[in-house]
Amino acid sequence: QLQLQESGPGLVKPSETLSLICTVSGGSISSDAYYWGWVRQTPGKGLEWIGYFDNGGSTYYNPSLQSRVTVSADKSSNQIALTLTSVTAADMALYHCARHRWTYGYFDSWGQGILVTVSS
Amino acid sequence: QSALTQPPSASGSPGQSVTISCTGTSSDVGRYNYVSWYQQHPGSAPKVIIYEVNKRPSGVPDRFSGSKSGNTASLTVSGLQADDEAEYYCSSYGDRNNWVFGGGTKLTVL
Repeated sequence: QLQLQESGPGLVKPSETLSLICTVSGGSISSDAYYWGWVRQTPGKGLEWIGYFDNGGSTYYNPSLQSRVTVSADKSSNQIALTLTSVTAADMALYHCARHRWTYGYFDSWGQGILVTVSS
Repeated sequence: QSALTQPPSASGSPGQSVTISCTGTSSDVGRYNYVSWYQQHPGSAPKVIIYEVNKRPSGVPDRFSGSKSGNTASLTVSGLQADDEAEYYCSSYGDRNNWVFGGGTKLTVL
């Protein structure tokens, strides 16, 4: 059974860089059938797509975050990484890694999420 | 402010039907049929219940149905059950290779 587990610091200072890792088990991030990426969740805004990559190494990002975000793959470790630079309080959220079934246009597997607080 | 607009709450009694709307624009919901709906119970990850406007993944009861008209998509839950009480989010593909979500609707089963 596919499992996605997020990890990383739960507290980041304003203006610094947020870095998270998602470890995938029970499936390979090298599969052609899926994209892999991140979605964040806040009580006020709901869900927000951050970005994902495909098996060919192409990346796709939310235009509103594109200048600050990088999503990448470590295929040897079957992990997905997220970096978000110059964070502010608006970046406080529950960050989920997720698998996207691109043929049908939906996220079919999600991690439980990791809560990130931005505070000095 | 979310890209797609959903009512913050909806409610119904057991056995009744409830419909949740999701309003976008001609650049997302109105243009593409990649509209999906997710159900999220407290403390759990979102789970897809509708994709491509009106298709159900395997295992999702046919009490859940989706539709779209113009820039507005809708999710209908028929024969409400206690376990349907959850947060529901819509999502759509949008221009510039973007995925947009709604702010969520809290469904209460009275």
